[in-house]
Amino acid sequence: GAGVSQSPSNKVTEKGKDVELRCDPISGHTALYWYRQSLGQGLEFLIYFQGNSAPDKSGLPSDRFSAERTGGSVSTLTIQRTQQEDSAVYLCASSSTSGPYNEQFFGPGTRLTVL
Amino acid sequence: AQKITQTQPGMFVQEKEAVTLDCTYDTSDPSYGLFWYKQPSSGEMIFLIYQGSYDQQNATEGRYSLNFQKARKSANLVISASQLGDSAMYFCAMRERGGTSYGKLTFGQGTILTVHP
Repeated sequence: GAGVSQSPSNKVTEKGKDVELRCDPISGHTALYWYRQSLGQGLEFLIYFQGNSAPDKSGLPSDRFSAERTGGSVSTLTIQRTQQEDSAVYLCASSSTSGPYNEQFFGPGTRLTVL
Repeated sequence: AQKITQTQPGMFVQEKEAVTLDCTYDTSDPSYGLFWYKQPSSGEMIFLIYQGSYDQQNATEGRYSLNFQKARKSANLVISASQLGDSAMYFCAMRERGGTSYGKLTFGQGTILTVHP
């Protein structure tokens, strides 16, 4: 079946602009996660959604970052007024909550470059 | 405090040999899960193996096994019969479950494995 998809694969933007990153999880997965991977900080958790529960936003680095998940499926991560330190690969993952491991399946990522 | 520690930034192994990648963790949650992921140069994260904190036996998946020493809080990945395609970055990660079957992963810094022919 189809895996997690993300778009765009690459995004170059100018400092101060807003960007939207999209994630399509695996069908039927109720949990959806956003992470960011950068050279200096490694892999960092940003936010996750599980079913109809309130999202866990504890990893968002500032109020410029927000995310929503519509209809329990597609998610959009929005970064407002981008800064150069936002440059990173943004990874989305999804998981089932009823399997033996409930491992997270990752998408290919969106590479964000802020000039 | 670092929750997941991978002390080997880089490791080298000869093809067909076994290699152990180290991972130690820190948590006060009695219910947690430990994961290993592989990230080749192409960038995708590939799930390899899982160990639950209450599992009595070490996890195995094909050529991958996990040497789980709960008292020492270590979860080392053992790759047997290394192949050239095993060259990649390897991440250890922990999910502190708190009784749930979902939740964020906390990752270590990763180990770059290079397999020599």
